[in-house]
Amino acid sequence: GENVEQHPSTLSVQEGDSAVIKCTYSDSASNYFPWYKQELGKGPQLIIDIRSNVGEKKDQRIAVTLNKTAKHFSLHITETQPEDSAVYFCAAYGQNFVFGPGTRLSVLP
Amino acid sequence: DTGVSQDPRHKITKRGQNVTFRCDPISEHNRLYWYRQTLGQGPEFLTYFQNEAQLEKSRLLSNRFSAERPKGSFSTLEIQRTEQGDSAMYLCASSLGARMGLAASTDTQYFGPGTRLTVL
Repeated sequence: GENVEQHPSTLSVQEGDSAVIKCTYSDSASNYFPWYKQELGKGPQLIIDIRSNVGEKKDQRIAVTLNKTAKHFSLHITETQPEDSAVYFCAAYGQNFVFGPGTRLSVLP
Repeated sequence: DTGVSQDPRHKITKRGQNVTFRCDPISEHNRLYWYRQTLGQGPEFLTYFQNEAQLEKSRLLSNRFSAERPKGSFSTLEIQRTEQGDSAMYLCASSLGARMGLAASTDTQYFGPGTRLTVL
């Protein structure tokens, strides 16, 4: 079945710096890749997504890049702020809906 | 608030008891999904509905679990004879894409706040 790996598992950055989280997937039939932010005690919140017919998508400080040949996609957050601190999950949808194990991002003021 | 809602938010039960959770999707969303999330892990897919039809079930959904969506609106997830290993956050999500002809594999899911189950 589909497997999604996510790195790093934890990430600490200084406020204002950039953060990058990378995911790889195994099922070449996957064609939709959302990213979710989850704060303590809450459900995952969609922050950005990308479909397999594009290579990059940007929304203000957040961007996602997709390399279907290599089967990996990445989340980029620029000018990080303390409120960006949370757990971030990538996911790959194809025959299944599979999430990565998460990255705990800490933005230090 | 017009987001996905789940009830209850927390449930503590003793091993062997039955529990039922409810999910109300975003209005007009005709796909509804259930996930389980254990501490430190990503959500794991359990099952999903398109309208009232249950279209897919994960092997994680043992015969103690049953989900329904009788009128194509809210859904319930029941766990019978709970075990300590069932302790987790149960998340519900909904999506609109079926109305636009989107396959479930490309449909954007919006999550509710979850129901945290603790089995003693």
